[in-house]
Amino acid sequence: KAGVTQTPRYLIKTRGQQVTLSCSPISGHRSVSWYQQTPGQGLQFLFEYFSETQRNKGNFPGRFSGRQFSNSRSEMNVSTLELGDSALYLCASSLDGGTGENEQFFGPGTRLTVL
Amino acid sequence: GDSVTQMEGPVTLSEEAFLTINCTYTATGYPSLFWYVQYPGEGLQLLLKATKADDKGSNKGFEATYRKETTSFHLEKGSVQVSDSAVYFCALVYSSASKIIFGSGTRLSIRP
Repeated sequence: KAGVTQTPRYLIKTRGQQVTLSCSPISGHRSVSWYQQTPGQGLQFLFEYFSETQRNKGNFPGRFSGRQFSNSRSEMNVSTLELGDSALYLCASSLDGGTGENEQFFGPGTRLTVL
Repeated sequence: GDSVTQMEGPVTLSEEAFLTINCTYTATGYPSLFWYVQYPGEGLQLLLKATKADDKGSNKGFEATYRKETTSFHLEKGSVQVSDSAVYFCALVYSSASKIIFGSGTRLSIRP
């Protein structure tokens, strides 16, 4: 079974631009979560989508948004990029949310650099 | 609020040494506890987990016991290998939510 895939793996953007990252979950998984990883703040939860609906949300500004399609693939969008948005963005999928019983499987991440 | 605290890294050990990475948590309820590992250039992999107090998670020679009385979930391995070099994250999650709360991570380097 294929794992979680994320595209692109690397991105370079300039301040003020917007960016869209894509995540394809493991086949059959309906929940997709997004995390931001930075050296300063560590791993922080962005949001989770389940059956095309945002089910949980972290403490990030409205510039960060996402969506999920009917095939469970998910995209996240960051508008008006800031230097501080430079990070590794990780996507994780699970059958029905990453509860104690349902493991979240992580993709390799998209490395975003904002210049 | 809920949080996870890990020992500061980096931790550098010689091959075959005993490993302990400390992890303590603050939780308002009864979460499940996890250890994730991140190898260079890769995403996170679940290493082991424990879903209730006194449970012991184990995998690949690593062990951790969910201690409610000390709010701890320390990671141990009896004999580390060079291939164990990675960043280790302690984390908690509630059964009612899919949000994982991670510790800051501990970088482990093993010398041959």
